[in-house]
Amino acid sequence: AQTVTQSQPEMSVQEAETVTLSCTYDTSESDYYLFWYKQPPSRQMILVIRQEAYKQQNATENRFSVNFQKAAKSFSLKISDSQLGDAAMYFCAFPHAIQGAQKLVFGQGTRLTINP
Amino acid sequence: ETGVTQTPRHLVMGMTNKKSLKCEQHLGHNAMYWYKQSAKKPLELMFVYNFKEQTENNSVPSRFSPECPNSSHLFLHLHTLQPEDSALYLCASSQTGQYTDTQYFGPGTRLTVL
Repeated sequence: AQTVTQSQPEMSVQEAETVTLSCTYDTSESDYYLFWYKQPPSRQMILVIRQEAYKQQNATENRFSVNFQKAAKSFSLKISDSQLGDAAMYFCAFPHAIQGAQKLVFGQGTRLTINP
Repeated sequence: ETGVTQTPRHLVMGMTNKKSLKCEQHLGHNAMYWYKQSAKKPLELMFVYNFKEQTENNSVPSRFSPECPNSSHLFLHLHTLQPEDSALYLCASSQTGQYTDTQYFGPGTRLTVL
Protein backbone atom coordinates (compact mmCIF):
# COMPACT_ATOMS: atom_id res chain seq x y z
CA ALA A 1 0.00 0.00 0.00
CA GLN A 2 1.10 3.52 -0.72
CA THR A 3 2.06 5.58 2.31
CA VAL A 4 3.19 9.17 2.64
CA THR A 5 5.14 10.40 5.66
CA GLN A 6 5.82 13.96 6.71
CA SER A 7 8.07 13.79 9.74
CA GLN A 8 7.94 17.48 10.66
CA PRO A 9 4.61 18.36 12.33
CA GLU A 10 5.69 22.00 12.65
CA MET A 11 8.32 24.24 11.12
CA SER A 12 9.07 27.93 11.45
CA VAL A 13 11.19 30.29 9.42
CA GLN A 14 12.08 33.95 9.42
CA GLU A 15 10.52 36.06 6.71
CA ALA A 16 12.73 36.19 3.58
CA GLU A 17 14.61 33.06 4.63
CA THR A 18 14.50 29.61 3.02
CA VAL A 19 12.80 26.56 4.50
CA THR A 20 12.63 22.93 3.40
CA LEU A 21 9.74 20.62 4.23
CA SER A 22 10.37 16.91 3.99
CA CYS A 23 8.24 14.08 2.64
CA THR A 24 8.93 10.42 2.08
CA TYR A 25 6.68 7.90 0.43
CA ASP A 26 6.47 4.24 -0.24
CA THR A 27 5.30 2.72 -3.50
CA SER A 28 6.00 -0.19 -5.79
CA GLU A 29 4.98 1.77 -8.86
CA SER A 30 7.62 3.06 -11.25
CA ASP A 31 5.70 5.82 -13.00
CA TYR A 32 3.82 8.24 -10.81
CA TYR A 33 3.28 11.84 -9.80
CA LEU A 34 3.77 13.68 -6.55
CA PHE A 35 2.10 16.82 -5.28
CA TRP A 36 2.51 19.46 -2.61
CA TYR A 37 -0.66 21.19 -1.49
CA LYS A 38 -0.98 24.19 0.80
CA GLN A 39 -3.90 24.72 3.19
CA PRO A 40 -3.98 28.25 4.66
CA PRO A 41 -6.29 29.24 7.55
CA SER A 42 -9.10 29.65 5.00
CA ARG A 43 -8.95 25.80 4.72
CA GLN A 44 -8.89 25.86 0.91
CA MET A 45 -6.47 23.20 -0.36
CA ILE A 46 -4.29 24.86 -3.00
CA LEU A 47 -1.91 23.09 -5.35
CA VAL A 48 1.67 24.34 -4.87
CA ILE A 49 3.70 22.15 -7.19
CA ARG A 50 3.62 18.83 -9.04
CA GLN A 51 6.47 16.48 -9.96
CA GLU A 52 6.41 13.72 -12.54
CA ALA A 53 8.55 10.80 -11.45
CA TYR A 54 9.89 10.02 -14.90
CA LYS A 55 11.36 13.52 -15.18
CA GLN A 56 14.92 13.92 -13.94
CA GLN A 57 14.55 17.67 -13.52
CA ASN A 58 13.12 18.96 -10.27
CA ALA A 59 9.92 20.98 -10.62
CA THR A 60 9.98 24.71 -9.90
CA GLU A 61 7.18 27.23 -9.49
CA ASN A 62 8.48 30.71 -8.71
CA ARG A 63 9.75 30.58 -5.09
CA PHE A 64 8.75 26.93 -4.67
CA SER A 65 10.93 24.06 -5.79
CA VAL A 66 11.25 20.39 -5.02
CA ASN A 67 14.15 18.06 -4.38
CA PHE A 68 12.95 14.76 -5.80
CA GLN A 69 15.10 11.73 -5.00
CA LYS A 70 13.36 8.77 -6.62
CA ALA A 71 15.69 6.07 -5.33
CA ALA A 72 15.33 7.35 -1.79
CA LYS A 73 11.59 7.95 -2.28
CA SER A 74 11.99 11.46 -0.99
CA PHE A 75 10.12 14.54 -2.17
CA SER A 76 10.99 17.70 -0.24
CA LEU A 77 9.61 21.19 -0.83
CA LYS A 78 11.87 24.23 -0.67
CA ILE A 79 10.35 27.66 -0.17
CA SER A 80 12.71 30.51 -0.92
CA ASP A 81 12.30 34.10 0.24
CA SER A 82 9.53 33.10 2.64
CA GLN A 83 6.60 35.49 2.85
CA LEU A 84 3.96 35.94 5.54
CA GLY A 85 1.37 34.59 3.12
CA ASP A 86 3.21 31.28 2.99
CA ALA A 87 2.03 30.45 6.50
CA ALA A 88 -0.15 27.36 6.16
CA MET A 89 -0.37 23.59 6.52
CA TYR A 90 1.56 21.87 3.76
CA PHE A 91 0.60 18.41 2.58
CA CYS A 92 2.55 16.02 0.44
CA ALA A 93 0.29 13.78 -1.68
CA PHE A 94 0.71 10.69 -3.81
CA PRO A 95 -1.91 9.70 -6.41
CA HIS A 96 -2.75 6.04 -6.41
CA ALA A 97 -4.58 4.52 -9.34
CA ILE A 98 -7.74 2.71 -8.30
CA GLN A 99 -10.39 1.15 -10.48
CA GLY A 100 -11.68 3.87 -12.78
CA ALA A 101 -10.29 6.72 -10.73
CA GLN A 102 -7.48 8.31 -8.77
CA LYS A 103 -7.00 8.24 -5.01
CA LEU A 104 -4.78 10.88 -3.43
CA VAL A 105 -2.92 9.62 -0.37
CA PHE A 106 -1.90 12.51 1.87
CA GLY A 107 0.77 12.87 4.51
CA GLN A 108 -0.05 14.13 7.97
CA GLY A 109 0.95 17.69 7.10
CA THR A 110 3.52 20.22 8.28
CA ARG A 111 2.39 23.46 9.85
CA LEU A 112 4.63 26.28 8.62
CA THR A 113 4.90 29.50 10.61
CA ILE A 114 6.55 32.58 9.15
CA ASN A 115 8.15 34.90 11.71
CA PRO A 116 8.25 38.59 10.72
CA GLU B 1 -10.01 30.43 -6.75
CA THR B 2 -13.67 29.79 -7.65
CA GLY B 3 -13.24 26.71 -9.84
CA VAL B 4 -14.80 24.47 -7.19
CA THR B 5 -17.45 25.83 -4.84
CA GLN B 6 -19.03 24.24 -1.80
CA THR B 7 -22.14 25.14 0.17
CA PRO B 8 -22.75 25.62 2.97
CA ARG B 9 -19.37 26.67 4.35
CA HIS B 10 -20.45 25.89 7.90
CA LEU B 11 -23.12 23.48 9.15
CA VAL B 12 -24.24 22.57 12.63
CA MET B 13 -26.66 19.69 12.93
CA GLY B 14 -28.14 17.37 15.50
CA MET B 15 -27.73 13.62 15.30
CA THR B 16 -31.30 13.15 14.11
CA ASN B 17 -31.18 15.78 11.37
CA LYS B 18 -30.90 15.23 7.63
CA LYS B 19 -28.81 17.67 5.66
CA SER B 20 -26.95 17.81 2.37
CA LEU B 21 -23.60 19.24 1.29
CA LYS B 22 -23.29 20.58 -2.22
CA CYS B 23 -20.27 20.85 -4.47
CA GLU B 24 -20.11 22.43 -7.92
CA GLN B 25 -17.15 22.60 -10.27
CA HIS B 26 -16.79 25.06 -13.12
CA LEU B 27 -13.67 23.52 -14.64
CA GLY B 28 -15.21 21.13 -17.16
CA HIS B 29 -13.88 18.14 -15.23
CA ASN B 30 -15.34 14.65 -15.27
CA ALA B 31 -14.22 13.26 -11.92
CA MET B 32 -15.35 14.49 -8.52
CA TYR B 33 -14.29 13.47 -5.02
CA TRP B 34 -15.38 13.77 -1.40
CA TYR B 35 -12.70 13.87 1.30
CA LYS B 36 -13.00 14.02 5.08
CA GLN B 37 -10.45 15.98 7.11
CA SER B 38 -10.59 15.33 10.84
CA ALA B 39 -8.39 16.91 13.45
CA LYS B 40 -5.00 15.22 13.70
CA LYS B 41 -5.74 12.76 10.88
CA PRO B 42 -4.66 12.81 7.24
CA LEU B 43 -7.26 13.57 4.62
CA GLU B 44 -9.34 10.52 3.87
CA LEU B 45 -10.94 9.82 0.53
CA MET B 46 -14.62 8.97 0.91
CA PHE B 47 -16.12 8.71 -2.56
CA VAL B 48 -15.08 9.11 -6.18
CA TYR B 49 -17.33 9.71 -9.16
CA ASN B 50 -15.97 9.46 -12.66
CA PHE B 51 -18.26 10.45 -15.52
CA LYS B 52 -21.15 10.36 -13.03
CA GLU B 53 -20.46 6.78 -12.02
CA GLN B 54 -19.36 5.97 -8.49
CA THR B 55 -16.02 4.21 -8.73
CA GLU B 56 -14.92 4.24 -5.11
CA ASN B 57 -16.57 3.93 -1.74
CA ASN B 58 -13.79 3.92 0.81
CA SER B 59 -15.67 1.91 3.45
CA VAL B 60 -17.79 4.89 4.36
CA PRO B 61 -20.75 4.32 6.73
CA SER B 62 -24.16 4.32 5.09
CA ARG B 63 -25.19 7.45 7.01
CA PHE B 64 -23.20 9.25 4.29
CA SER B 65 -24.89 8.99 0.90
CA PRO B 66 -23.33 10.59 -2.19
CA GLU B 67 -25.14 11.70 -5.31
CA CYS B 68 -23.71 12.88 -8.62
CA PRO B 69 -26.51 13.99 -10.98
CA ASN B 70 -24.05 15.31 -13.57
CA SER B 71 -20.33 15.91 -13.98
CA SER B 72 -20.55 19.39 -12.50
CA HIS B 73 -22.45 18.67 -9.30
CA LEU B 74 -21.79 16.41 -6.35
CA PHE B 75 -23.84 16.07 -3.19
CA LEU B 76 -23.24 14.39 0.13
CA HIS B 77 -26.46 13.54 1.96
CA LEU B 78 -26.13 13.22 5.71
CA HIS B 79 -28.48 11.48 8.12
CA THR B 80 -28.26 10.16 11.65
CA LEU B 81 -24.69 11.38 12.05
CA GLN B 82 -22.52 10.88 15.10
CA PRO B 83 -20.42 13.51 16.92
CA GLU B 84 -17.27 11.84 15.57
CA ASP B 85 -18.43 12.77 12.07
CA SER B 86 -17.64 16.40 12.88
CA ALA B 87 -14.92 17.39 10.41
CA LEU B 88 -14.07 19.47 7.38
CA TYR B 89 -15.54 17.93 4.23
CA LEU B 90 -13.65 18.79 1.09
CA CYS B 91 -14.80 18.34 -2.47
CA ALA B 92 -12.36 18.09 -5.35
CA SER B 93 -12.48 17.59 -9.09
CA SER B 94 -10.07 16.46 -11.78
CA GLN B 95 -10.10 16.15 -15.53
CA THR B 96 -10.59 12.43 -16.05
CA GLY B 97 -9.89 10.62 -12.79
CA GLN B 98 -6.68 9.09 -14.11
CA TYR B 99 -3.69 8.88 -11.79
CA THR B 100 -1.96 11.56 -13.87
CA ASP B 101 -4.63 14.11 -12.98
CA THR B 102 -4.28 17.10 -10.69
CA GLN B 103 -7.13 17.48 -8.24
CA TYR B 104 -8.55 20.93 -7.51
CA PHE B 105 -10.27 21.47 -4.21
CA GLY B 106 -13.18 23.52 -2.96
CA PRO B 107 -13.08 25.59 0.24
CA GLY B 108 -14.74 22.87 2.32
CA THR B 109 -17.74 22.60 4.59
CA ARG B 110 -17.05 22.68 8.32
CA LEU B 111 -19.54 20.25 9.85
CA THR B 112 -20.32 20.08 13.54
CA VAL B 113 -22.58 17.30 14.83
CA LEU B 114 -24.07 17.95 18.25
